[in-house]
Amino acid sequence: SAVISQKPSRDICQRGTSLTIQCQVDSQVTMMFWYRQQPGQSLTLIATANQGSEATYESGFVIDKFPISRPNLTFSTLTVSNMSPEDSSIYLCSVEDHRGRQFFGPGTRLTVL
Amino acid sequence: DAKTTQPPSMDCAEGRAANLPCNHSTISGNEYVYWYRQIHSQGPQYIIHGLKNNETNEMASLIITEDRKSSTLILPHATLRDTAVYYCIVRPSNSNSGYALNFGKGTSLLVTP
Repeated sequence: SAVISQKPSRDICQRGTSLTIQCQVDSQVTMMFWYRQQPGQSLTLIATANQGSEATYESGFVIDKFPISRPNLTFSTLTVSNMSPEDSSIYLCSVEDHRGRQFFGPGTRLTVL
Repeated sequence: DAKTTQPPSMDCAEGRAANLPCNHSTISGNEYVYWYRQIHSQGPQYIIHGLKNNETNEMASLIITEDRKSSTLILPHATLRDTAVYYCIVRPSNSNSGYALNFGKGTSLLVTP
């Protein structure tokens, strides 16, 4: 299984600012995913990030609000832009192996004041 | 993706088998059944998956009915550390095809001493 790390593990931010979350994988992977988990809720997919192409966003999520970079096969970033308290969530990245199994990072717990 | 139905919560005594059911009556022929769990404040963890045959690994067993419309995840000897939310997910393909996971509400399993 892949080992995934995320930075930061948690942050408290002010309304109107932006935060960039990093996701690092210990092996090369084609597909990376970004999820959001709001308090008391299940996970919701934000976007799929493929190396060398634009990220594909799910309904309700837009690139201006959640820009994603995928510069190589082991790294991705998700930026939460112009934050509001409604953006307070846990943000998780995941990767998929050749058997369709997904492995998740530990998550970034974001609180927006 | 086919949708799944799980009981919202279950209890299990420590040391006993935990049997978590999942209904997926609209599953398609090429869709696999995946199980994940999320321990509080951690990222989701892959447990097991299968197509139509029963599967077993070091964590659990997966029993899929012959008509594939339901399945049961079995934790043979539950421990307190198995307390988590368990998600049953069906998705196409068993390959690195980049299908995102459609998390529902899952079953909150409480293992008691």
